[in-house]
Amino acid sequence: EVQLVESGGGLVQPGGSLRLSCAASGFTFSAYAMSWVRQTPGKGLEWVSAITGSGNTYYTDSVKGRFTLSRDNSKNTMSLQMNSLRVDDTAVYYCAQEGAEARMGYFQHWGQGTLVTVSS
Amino acid sequence: DIVMTQSPDSLAVSLGERATINCKSSQSVLYRSSNKNYLAWYQQKPGQPPKLLIYWASTRESGVPDRFTGSGSGTDFTLTISSLQAEDVAVYYCQQHYTTPNTFGQGTKLEIK
Repeated sequence: EVQLVESGGGLVQPGGSLRLSCAASGFTFSAYAMSWVRQTPGKGLEWVSAITGSGNTYYTDSVKGRFTLSRDNSKNTMSLQMNSLRVDDTAVYYCAQEGAEARMGYFQHWGQGTLVTVSS
Repeated sequence: DIVMTQSPDSLAVSLGERATINCKSSQSVLYRSSNKNYLAWYQQKPGQPPKLLIYWASTRESGVPDRFTGSGSGTDFTLTISSLQAEDVAVYYCQQHYTTPNTFGQGTKLEIK
């Protein structure tokens, strides 16, 4: 059974940093691209960033230069380093498995999410 | 970015009746070389993450009941639930997986009439 468990969310002030992690199990981690998708009541679902099985990364424009995505295939983990956080980064962040090693762009399995709140 | 627009925003259907949700993309998501439409549908129940129902516009994800059907091509797509069950109450989202950034519709809330 595929399991994705996010951690690292919390309350941070504008301009601060957080590091989100996603621990994966139940599948061959290196064989799948992974993504972060965030959700807010106002903006709905928004894809944030993705990484292929071999480590190629992709970002939505609003987080480029601020967020860095990485993965450790030996530990079955993915991490999102979020710097220069803004109020509008406030959301539930989901870790999601894509359909193949390369970016397929659809999300077959999702974690339960971790809440990031950016507020002073 | 490709803008995804769903209609209606909310929908109330009687148990056993058909539910139809529409999704329109601001540009075609049909990849002509493969003749595949890069369109997915998700179901989200309260307090849960989204669940993949359909991808490539009409390919049902493993374990999804066959009362869920995706159709359409190019810019216009439909999710049909042939006979609504109580457990289908949820918010449904379409999403294009044609290009980065992948974008979602605003969601359609499905309720029982």
